[in-house]
Amino acid sequence: QSVLTQPPSASGTPGQRVTISCSGSSSNIGSNTVNWYQQLPGTAPKLLIYSNNQRPSGVPDRFSGSKSGTSASLAISGLQSEDEADYYCAAWDDSLTGWVFGGGTKLTVL
Amino acid sequence: QVQLVQSGAEVKKPGASVKVSCKASGYAFTTYVISWVRQAPGQGLEWMGGISAYNGYTDYAQKLQGRVTMTTDTSTNTAYMELRSLRSDDTAMYYCARDIRYCSGGSCYGYFDYWGQGTLITVSS
Repeated sequence: QSVLTQPPSASGTPGQRVTISCSGSSSNIGSNTVNWYQQLPGTAPKLLIYSNNQRPSGVPDRFSGSKSGTSASLAISGLQSEDEADYYCAAWDDSLTGWVFGGGTKLTVL
Repeated sequence: QVQLVQSGAEVKKPGASVKVSCKASGYAFTTYVISWVRQAPGQGLEWMGGISAYNGYTDYAQKLQGRVTMTTDTSTNTAYMELRSLRSDDTAMYYCARDIRYCSGGSCYGYFDYWGQGTLITVSS
């Protein structure tokens, strides 16, 4: 059981816009920033979004993040086949005094 | 360029210990925290703990307290994670990651910006 809650799966067709939600509580998302990681099949996770809505250098602007209260969202516009991956949200938890992750969302490009 | 290179896969028997290494290059090693994250087969990511390469301060996930030890060797820019009393549910891919962390007043802000390639640890009799 993950501390942060994500839908297990999401899907879309090429060119579509999809969003992935991440729900937490006042001790994690409610009081700290949210990060998103992309994990392509058979590879290590990669930082996709940090500090709620910042993109590291090299991440396309098709990817965007937002946060409101105790929830966060990752949006992917202009969906491409190479976006097919697992996506994880993460945040620091003040009560657990550690990093917590969502259970991950498997994105399928139809 | 920043790189984290981990040691190779290992197979261990239940009750044994394992020590995984993570050699850093391309940045000032002692400036950052190294965190360890594991992923059981077909499962999600789980943070295990972190160690400051500056002063050796560690913080561990509560469920692993007493079984895990993280250390660093600043002469070789290498971080280590040792897990003891291995069980079958410790079978997982283990990752090290550079932890960009800033903490103030009990809250921390940051992220993992670089990851190692992963080390598969299999626990089987």
